[in-house]
Amino acid sequence: ELKVEQNPLFLSMQEGKNYTIYCNYSTTSDRLYWYRQDPGKSLESLFVLLSNGAVKQEGRLMASLDTKARLSTLHITAAVHDLSATYFCAVDKAAGNKLTFGGGTRVLVKP
Amino acid sequence: NAGVTQTPKFRVLKTGQSMTLLCAQDMNHEYMYWYRQDPGMGLRLIHYSVGEGTTAKGEVPDGYNVSRLKKQNFLLGLESAAPSQTSVYFCASIAGGPTDTQYFGPGTRLTVL
Repeated sequence: ELKVEQNPLFLSMQEGKNYTIYCNYSTTSDRLYWYRQDPGKSLESLFVLLSNGAVKQEGRLMASLDTKARLSTLHITAAVHDLSATYFCAVDKAAGNKLTFGGGTRVLVKP
Repeated sequence: NAGVTQTPKFRVLKTGQSMTLLCAQDMNHEYMYWYRQDPGMGLRLIHYSVGEGTTAKGEVPDGYNVSRLKKQNFLLGLESAAPSQTSVYFCASIAGGPTDTQYFGPGTRLTVL
């Protein structure tokens, strides 16, 4: 059974500082995704990571994937208030593109 | 394109009542999914479909049924609602290519009293 764990569950950030969210998964998978969810809203896709060593960046967010360690990280550079949200990682197996989600990391960026 | 839409947005049911949630997508996607999200948790897969006329069970299928009679629509049914089914329900779809991502609908907030 595929299990996905994120840590920390909650992250209080100071503006301007750097932080990392970790996503571990239990079995080999084909793709890893990062999503953002604002309170009361739907999920917004941030990144799709396909292969070992993959790195993607968008603004202050950078995601990387180490398939050998079964670990993905989401790095936040110089946090700003607009990045306050809950971040989810999800892993899929090719058959049916079914996603298994981590429990989410709630990020609060304080001025 | 409207993307993925869900009907209704909110609903309150009494225990034992039935209802159907409708998901529609206009992106010609093959794969569609129903998830539930409980407070402070990630999403869990209820049922999914890999094409018109097909359905399959996900992680938490008990108490739910689904149908995909048309490619663009995926219906989730609750035959006899229970308080444990109080949740936010999200529909998603994906074309299925190697770099594709799932697109999520706005969600349906369901309360069962």
